[in-house]
Amino acid sequence: EPEVTQTPSHQVTQMGQEVILRCVPISNHLYFYWYRQILGQKVEFLVSFYNNEISEKSEIFDDQFSVERPDGSNFTLKIRSTKLEDSAMYFCASSLEGNEQFFGPGTRLTVL
Amino acid sequence: DQQVKQNSPSLSVQEGRISILNCDYTNSMFDYFLWYKKYPAEGPTFLISISSIKDKNEDGRFTVFLNKSAKHLSLHIVPSQPGDSAVYFCAATNTFTSVGTYKYIFGTGTRLKVLA
Repeated sequence: EPEVTQTPSHQVTQMGQEVILRCVPISNHLYFYWYRQILGQKVEFLVSFYNNEISEKSEIFDDQFSVERPDGSNFTLKIRSTKLEDSAMYFCASSLEGNEQFFGPGTRLTVL
Repeated sequence: DQQVKQNSPSLSVQEGRISILNCDYTNSMFDYFLWYKKYPAEGPTFLISISSIKDKNEDGRFTVFLNKSAKHLSLHIVPSQPGDSAVYFCAATNTFTSVGTYKYIFGTGTRLKVLA
């Protein structure tokens, strides 16, 4: 069964460093998303992406964040200068149509 | 911003009995609702969904009920099995947004434990 994959599973970085979280969505999906879950809190929407551009972004998704689909398979989330409060699980999701998003296993980001 | 609430952080049920997980929402613009299951160290897994034009949707042991007037939905699992033990999230979205990408608003989750 096709699935969304994410790498790395755990990323540790120093505050102020740039990180890139990578995702490979399901191959025939057209819509891509990033969510995050801070420990003990709810899963929060960050950004949606369709047709090579951002469709919608939340207030969390400020200028420090960017997304890219550099080739036909990868979908990346870049955080330019990480802050302590960026520590969270980051989930990538994809969908064929708008609904029923399929989530990856997540990347745990730890900012020291 | 508590647009989607799951007021029970945890629930324990005996194997074979019914599990009922509840979710309330405040935004009347939501018209599509989903339930996801999440195991530790994994991403959310889609379970079942319901459109606001329906009041019930069933898939095997899982049934979702939607009460639009009360802004309430529930997930019934019958019969409950030990493998159902996980955190269950409800999510809601408005499908009438532009370009067809749907932002999910998640509840805080309910941890279900099915006792053997």
